[in-house]
Amino acid sequence: AQSVTQLGSHVSVSEGALVLLRCNYSSSVPPYLFWYVQYPNQGLQLLLKYTTGATLVKGINGFEAEFKKSETSFHLTKPSAHMSDAAEYFCAVSAGNQFYFGTGTSLTVIP
Amino acid sequence: KAGVTQTPRYLIKTRGQQVTLSCSPISGHRSVSWYQQTPGQGLQFLFEYFSETQRNKGNFPGRFSGRQFSNSRSEMNVSTLELGDSALYLCASSLVPGSTVETQYFGPGTRLLVL
Repeated sequence: AQSVTQLGSHVSVSEGALVLLRCNYSSSVPPYLFWYVQYPNQGLQLLLKYTTGATLVKGINGFEAEFKKSETSFHLTKPSAHMSDAAEYFCAVSAGNQFYFGTGTSLTVIP
Repeated sequence: KAGVTQTPRYLIKTRGQQVTLSCSPISGHRSVSWYQQTPGQGLQFLFEYFSETQRNKGNFPGRFSGRQFSNSRSEMNVSTLELGDSALYLCASSLVPGSTVETQYFGPGTRLLVL
């Protein structure tokens, strides 16, 4: 069975500070992992994805994530937060024919 | 290239009514998936269609149904609406089914409020 756990439903960072959003997964097969962002009243936008190959994945808007199989983690990071990063972030795992989403982390950026 | 479009964007219904939501995928995409997003349950998979056939279905009651047309446009229907059906319904399209490889592109959603 597949599942995704996002630690921390709310994260606050100061503008310019490091952003770290945590995601752990469980999967009975090699997973494909995704991070999506959702701005208010909008759908989900893909930030980055890991399928195979390099475990450090770079995405849009300066975000990156590292797939760590031994830790079953796929944490999302950004070196310097910007006000425009304030949004809801979802980690997802795909295995088989379905996506499984985490419950989301709401990121607040403090000026 | 136009993105995934969903209509209507907002909808208010009363308990017991039925509702139909529409999704037009990205041109060339043949697979459409539907999700329900609520504050309590998060994002939950409803079903996936490809070539007018339902390929996969999530754990939702039979009141939730869908279909896909030959032009890949999809509709979902919810009958006998309940208060708990109030949610944001998201549609996602991909080139082919099998979300293990293909990325899904999401529409803006239809926000349904059941009174």
